[in-house]
Amino acid sequence: NAGVMQNPRHLVRRRGQEARLRCSPMKGHSHVYWYRQLPEEGLKFMVYLQKENIIDESGMPKERFSAEFPKEGPSILRIQQVVRGDSAAYFCASSPDGSTNEKLFFGSGTQLSVL
Amino acid sequence: GNSVTQMEGPVTLSEEAFLTINCTYTATGYPSLFWYVQYPGEGLQLLLKATKADDKGSNKGFEATYRKETTSFHLEKGSVQVSDSAVYFCALSSLADRDDKIIFGKGTRLHILP
Repeated sequence: NAGVMQNPRHLVRRRGQEARLRCSPMKGHSHVYWYRQLPEEGLKFMVYLQKENIIDESGMPKERFSAEFPKEGPSILRIQQVVRGDSAAYFCASSPDGSTNEKLFFGSGTQLSVL
Repeated sequence: GNSVTQMEGPVTLSEEAFLTINCTYTATGYPSLFWYVQYPGEGLQLLLKATKADDKGSNKGFEATYRKETTSFHLEKGSVQVSDSAVYFCALSSLADRDDKIIFGKGTRLHILP
């Protein structure tokens, strides 16, 4: 039973380009969370999604960032027109239900570097 | 709002030393408390948890007790090993929140010297 799969592991983009980060949750999990980890800081919540629905996007920057979790396929975190400040590790986590996230499983993350 | 404060690192200890990493929290309602560990190049893994006051979570020799009176959840281990070197995150989730997301502290980097 594969865990939470994120790809790519490392992503390099130049300023102004788009970054797409993918997350495939564990089998049977329909709830996905995205977190961002800046250097020497903890994880900051970005967005919580269920299949085809955004439940809480209170941690998402108002511009350039978007997330989706379609009926089929992985969850995508999209960053348009990246800037150097977007460089960070982005972690995805999944859980089987949204009533409690004590059963939260994390992927290994995508390290985004903006040149 | 809910928040978690943990001691800043890095913490450097010799093998077999006693470890304490302090964590205090602010939360509405009755949160569940967690310690997560992040080994180099990996995602976070749940280390232990406690869901109500006076509960003790334990795993791999690590322990933490949910202290409601002091709003604390300090992580302890009696004898650390080099393989314990990692970043440790204290976290909480509160069922009083509408959507119950986990709030993390900033993390404490632990170095264990052989």
